[in-house]
Amino acid sequence: EVQLVESGGDLVQPGGSLRLSCAASGFSFSTYWMSWVRQAPGKGLEWVANIKQDGSDKYYMDSVKGRFTISRDNAKKSLYLQMTSLRAEDTAVYYCARDGGGYYLAWGQGTLVTVSS
Amino acid sequence: SHVLTQPPSVSVAPGKTARITCGRNNIGSKSVHWYQQKPGQAPVLVIYHDSDRPSGIPERFSGSNSGNTATLTISRVEAGDEADYYCQVWDSTSDVVFGGGTKLTVL
Repeated sequence: EVQLVESGGDLVQPGGSLRLSCAASGFSFSTYWMSWVRQAPGKGLEWVANIKQDGSDKYYMDSVKGRFTISRDNAKKSLYLQMTSLRAEDTAVYYCARDGGGYYLAWGQGTLVTVSS
Repeated sequence: SHVLTQPPSVSVAPGKTARITCGRNNIGSKSVHWYQQKPGQAPVLVIYHDSDRPSGIPERFSGSNSGNTATLTISRVEAGDEADYYCQVWDSTSDVVFGGGTKLTVL
């Protein structure tokens, strides 16, 4: 069974940092692009970043460029999102998702990041 | 990125057919994917590549895409179909776009 389990969400002050993790199981993690998708409270889905199978290519939405870093450890079957200079508008549930070729067949349950003083 | 336009809400009686649209100039040239999201849950892929259904998704769910509009059709709507639905396209590796979402209400 394919499973994605996120962790690391928390309440953090504006300007603070946080690292999210996503543990994958049930599939060959190293053969898939992986993404982070977020959803602000009461809002729609928003793609945040993705990373190639070997970590050599990474892409970000404009508003997080220079602040967020996506990475992966294929040996540990884990995906990460390092978030710095956090803003109130980064408050959201962050989902880890497996890219199946332009679409997302597998999603984690999400982890909540709240940026507030 | 190019915006995908969805109606905020669609209402349908049980047993009837619901149609949820996703609009953008020349969206017919792209593969469109659809997700269902129930409150407090992660999204679930219901249609990919315009009209393909993942394993486990009922045949009542179908999709089409042509010209400037993609459409998710849910036949014989059930109470359990009540959810938010999102369309999505992959413009490029660095540009994944979701529609604003449509709340389906089953009357």
